[in-house]
Amino acid sequence: EPEVTQTPSHQVTQMGQEVILRCVPISNHLYFYWYRQILGQKVEFLVSFYNNEISEKSEIFDDQFSVERPDGSNFTLKIRSTKLEDSAMYFCASSEGMDRAQYFGPGTRLTVL
Amino acid sequence: AQSVTQPDIHITVSEGASLELRCNYSYGATPYLFWYVQSPGQGLQLLLKYFSGDTLVQGIKGFEAEFKRSQSSFNLRKPSVHWSDAAEYFCAVARTDSWGKFQFGAGTQVVVTP
Repeated sequence: EPEVTQTPSHQVTQMGQEVILRCVPISNHLYFYWYRQILGQKVEFLVSFYNNEISEKSEIFDDQFSVERPDGSNFTLKIRSTKLEDSAMYFCASSEGMDRAQYFGPGTRLTVL
Repeated sequence: AQSVTQPDIHITVSEGASLELRCNYSYGATPYLFWYVQSPGQGLQLLLKYFSGDTLVQGIKGFEAEFKRSQSSFNLRKPSVHWSDAAEYFCAVARTDSWGKFQFGAGTQVVVTP
């Protein structure tokens, strides 16, 4: 069964450094998403992406964040200058269409020291 | 403002017993509704979804959920739990006018005892 994959599974970085989290969505899906879950808190929406542009973003998704689909298979989340409070599990998801269920990857645990 | 509430943070159930997890939402119209399960170290796996039509929906792993408009609820049930059902369960809601933005409940941790 096709699945969303994410790399790395765990990333440790120093505050102020840039990180890129990578995702490979399900191949025939057209809509892509990033969510995050800070330890002990709810899963929060960050951004949705379709047709090479952002469809919607939350207030969390400020200028330090960016997303990109650099080729036909990868979908990346870049955090430009990491802060301690960016430490969280980041989930990528994809869906076939706007009114279809989202399928989630296993997540990348980001630890900012 | 839209919200999703899972009133039970933690539920302990005996293997073979029935399970019901509660989910309530606050939204002006009927949203799209989902249940996901997260096992330790795993991602979120879709159990079932409700878009419209029959208010009782069947999902994977023997789970079902019932949408009750009058109660703004979408409770998840399983008649007989297995030890492998121990996990965290999340209810999620998507507004019909803002599709991509899922809003998740806080989750319910299910512990299964022998």
